[in-house]
Amino acid sequence: SQKIEQNSEALNIQEGKTATLTCNYTNYSPAYLQWYRQDPGRGPVFLLLIRENEKEKRKERLKVTFDTTLKQSLFHITASQPADSATYLCALDLTGGGNKLTFGTGTQLKVEL
Amino acid sequence: DAGVIQSPRHEVTEMGQEVTLRCKPISGHDYLFWYRQTMMRGLELLIYFNNNVPIDDSGMPEDRFSAKMPNASFSTLKIQPSEPRDSAVYFCASSTGQGALGAFFGQGTRLTVV
Repeated sequence: SQKIEQNSEALNIQEGKTATLTCNYTNYSPAYLQWYRQDPGRGPVFLLLIRENEKEKRKERLKVTFDTTLKQSLFHITASQPADSATYLCALDLTGGGNKLTFGTGTQLKVEL
Repeated sequence: DAGVIQSPRHEVTEMGQEVTLRCKPISGHDYLFWYRQTMMRGLELLIYFNNNVPIDDSGMPEDRFSAKMPNASFSTLKIQPSEPRDSAVYFCASSTGQGALGAFFGQGTRLTVV
């Protein structure tokens, strides 16, 4: 069966450290993989997209890797800040048009002072 | 642009009643999506439209759910009759259809069916 797995347990890290979140999937061949941030009581906000032929993508303090052999994406936040505390969702885009996104259940990140 | 606008933000209704959720997408976006989020199942795509036409409704749970998009600036998701298991947060999102830009989500409607 098809599955997208993210760390179900919350991730607590200290301010200034690098947070690394994992997204693993099975029985999918996504064209794109997207990462979103969701704050309590709000809708998800798009952060980054990485294509199947890209190994790594960066945006400011964010870095995403995509290993289609391992069927895994890693999402890194460097120099983390308390304001980075949120739930982070990965989403698989099977069509490449961003139209049919299948989301993981998300990982809650808490950055402590 | 004010972003994707959903109404109401909260809805409490009794089992068996009809519920209508509303969405105004971002102007110029050709795609509109309805998602449902629960603790158990996460964020699930229910249906999406392209240029006001429903393209894929395979995520709609059953016939009690229906969605319409009468024009480019308005969509509704209707549940009739509602059941307690429909309680969830319903999100509307819109996009340009270019995957690189992602989807823009509204604030969601928290539905409670008692």
